Amino acid sequence: GDSVTQMEGPVTLSEEAFLTINCTYTATGYPSLFWYVQYPGEGLQLLLKATKADDKGSNKGFEATYRKETTSFHLEKGSVQVSDSAVYFCALRSSARQLTFGSGTQLTVLP
Amino acid sequence: DGGITQSPKYLFRKEGQNVTLSCEQNLNHDAMYWYRQDPGQGLRLIYYSQIVNDFQKGDIAEGYSVSREKKESFPLTVTSAQKNPTAFYLCASSPGVAGGRETQYFGPGTRLLVL
Repeated sequence: GDSVTQMEGPVTLSEEAFLTINCTYTATGYPSLFWYVQYPGEGLQLLLKATKADDKGSNKGFEATYRKETTSFHLEKGSVQVSDSAVYFCALRSSARQLTFGSGTQLTVLP
Repeated sequence: DGGITQSPKYLFRKEGQNVTLSCEQNLNHDAMYWYRQDPGQGLRLIYYSQIVNDFQKGDIAEGYSVSREKKESFPLTVTSAQKNPTAFYLCASSPGVAGGRETQYFGPGTRLLVL
């Protein structure tokens, strides 16, 4: 079945540091890939997505590239801010029509 | 404003009681979903509905029930058969399922606690 493996957290960085959160997946066919962000006590917000190989999703300074050869969709940001502190979820959607989520990575950015 | 609303924000359940969580969307989306989130874990699918008057079980449907009588509403009932209902419940919707690539949009969630 489909599965998503995310980098274990928590991750703690200083403001303006470079961020990478690793995400790899297993799926049949050609899934769409997503990163969602969850701020404390809130629902999930779509951060970015990519629907085919080599696509790059980007939003708010975050980027992720759909790498079919390595089955990866790593999230990156060049310079994090305190306001980026949240839980980040990698997810995929295949022909099964439902989202499969990773376990989430807690990010804390210190001033 | 278009969006997904969930109510209440917090819900308390007594032993043996059924409770219903509300989810409403005004995005004109065909598909709706219910997920359960436990601390430190990802989301698990409870039920989903692709169209009015139709719904399917997800990975953890036991102890839950749903209805989809209107396009904009997808209430979730947590029954007394659900022995460990304490969790954060998230409702989502998407425009449709054709091609399986539509993005899901999430509501703010309901936190259910057992007294």
